Amino acid sequence: EVQLVQSGAEVKKPGESLKISCKASGYSFTSYWIGWVRQMPGKGLEWMAIIYPGDSDTRYSPSLQGQVTISADKSIRTAYLQWSSLKASDTAMYYCGRLMGRNEELPFDFWGQGTLVTVSS
Amino acid sequence: QSALTQPASVSGSPGQSITISCTGTSSDVGGYSHVSWYQQHPGKAPKVMIYDVSNRPSGVSNRFSGSKSGNTASLTISGLQAEDEADYYCSSYTSSSTWVFGGGTKLTVL
Repeated sequence: EVQLVQSGAEVKKPGESLKISCKASGYSFTSYWIGWVRQMPGKGLEWMAIIYPGDSDTRYSPSLQGQVTISADKSIRTAYLQWSSLKASDTAMYYCGRLMGRNEELPFDFWGQGTLVTVSS
Repeated sequence: QSALTQPASVSGSPGQSITISCTGTSSDVGGYSHVSWYQQHPGKAPKVMIYDVSNRPSGVSNRFSGSKSGNTASLTISGLQAEDEADYYCSSYTSSSTWVFGGGTKLTVL
């Protein structure tokens, strides 16, 4: 059974750094793209970034490039999303998801439970 | 890249059919056959209902169908049921080798 288990909710101050995680199980971690989608409070979905753990190839939304970093550790089957300096506007629910196959043109088919990040002074 | 354009809300009565549109550009919807539709219930993760314009993943009801013409994709739900009430998002692959979502459509089953 495919499962994506995300790290717990975070409360941070502006300017702090953060790394959230998504641990995968039940499939070949290195053979599927995995990525992150943001949902600000009461708002829609926003595609952020994906990574192919097999070779660490990445794709970033042009509007978010440089603001976040996606990474993956094959040894522990875990993907990450990190910020070096959080802003209040980063407050959102973050979902990790697995793409349907090896092809980056496929949609997300499995999702984590979401990680709520709150950034407030 | 700008979000794809969807109507903010649609509604229909049980048993009826509704269609949700999703308008993009030639750099996304119009340029690729990689348009997906997601259903999201409050407080839950999204669920893919349609991919590659008109394909249904295993387990998704055949009441859900998708199509595309030019820069506009559409999701049709036939035989509306109360459980279909949710937010629906389209998503398209883009010329930047990334994906973009639509703004979302709230479906109300009257």
